[in-house]
Amino acid sequence: GAGVSQSPSNKVTEKGKDVELRCDPISGHTALYWYRQSLGQGLEFLIYFQGNSAPDKSGLPSDRFSAERTGGSVSTLTIQRTQQEDSAVYLCASSLDGAEWETQYFGPGTRLLVL
Amino acid sequence: ELKVEQNPLFLSMQEGKNYTIYCNYSTTSDRLYWYRQDPGKSLESLFVLLSNGAVKQEGRLMASLDTKARLSTLHITAAVHDLSATYFCAVDPPGAGSYQLTFGKGTKLSVIP
Repeated sequence: GAGVSQSPSNKVTEKGKDVELRCDPISGHTALYWYRQSLGQGLEFLIYFQGNSAPDKSGLPSDRFSAERTGGSVSTLTIQRTQQEDSAVYLCASSLDGAEWETQYFGPGTRLLVL
Repeated sequence: ELKVEQNPLFLSMQEGKNYTIYCNYSTTSDRLYWYRQDPGKSLESLFVLLSNGAVKQEGRLMASLDTKARLSTLHITAAVHDLSATYFCAVDPPGAGSYQLTFGKGTKLSVIP
């Protein structure tokens, strides 16, 4: 079946602009995660959604970052007033129920470059 | 704060040789994950290790977990070029669910013909 998809695959923006990154999880997966992968910091957790529960936002690096998940499926990660240090690959993952033993399946990522 | 350390970070090995990648973590956890990432691609799940002494094998790769030593190993047997990739281990922080994985910095493996 289809895996996790993300769009756009690449995004170049100017400092100070807002960007939106989209994630489509695997159909039927109730848990959705956002991570950021950068050269300096490696892979970092950003935010987690599980069903209709309030998301765990503890990994968001600043209040410029926000995410929502509509209808329990598609998620959008928004970065406002982008900074150069926001340049990274943003990875989305999903798992069936968010249980502790489950594998997280990752999407191809969105490469964000802030000029 | 949970810290996950992998070593080596870079590994160049000849085809046919064996080698082990190590993953140490700083706090108690009995859930450890190994992922593979090819250049420009996303992460592919390799193994999920859920208990002390867990051992899993797939082809030329074998992963094990020692929760008392807070150590996981990824052993490569008779390496082939197709195994060239970056390998990440990831650990659940204590008290959390399967989200908020803490990743090591990755081991970039190059298998030379």
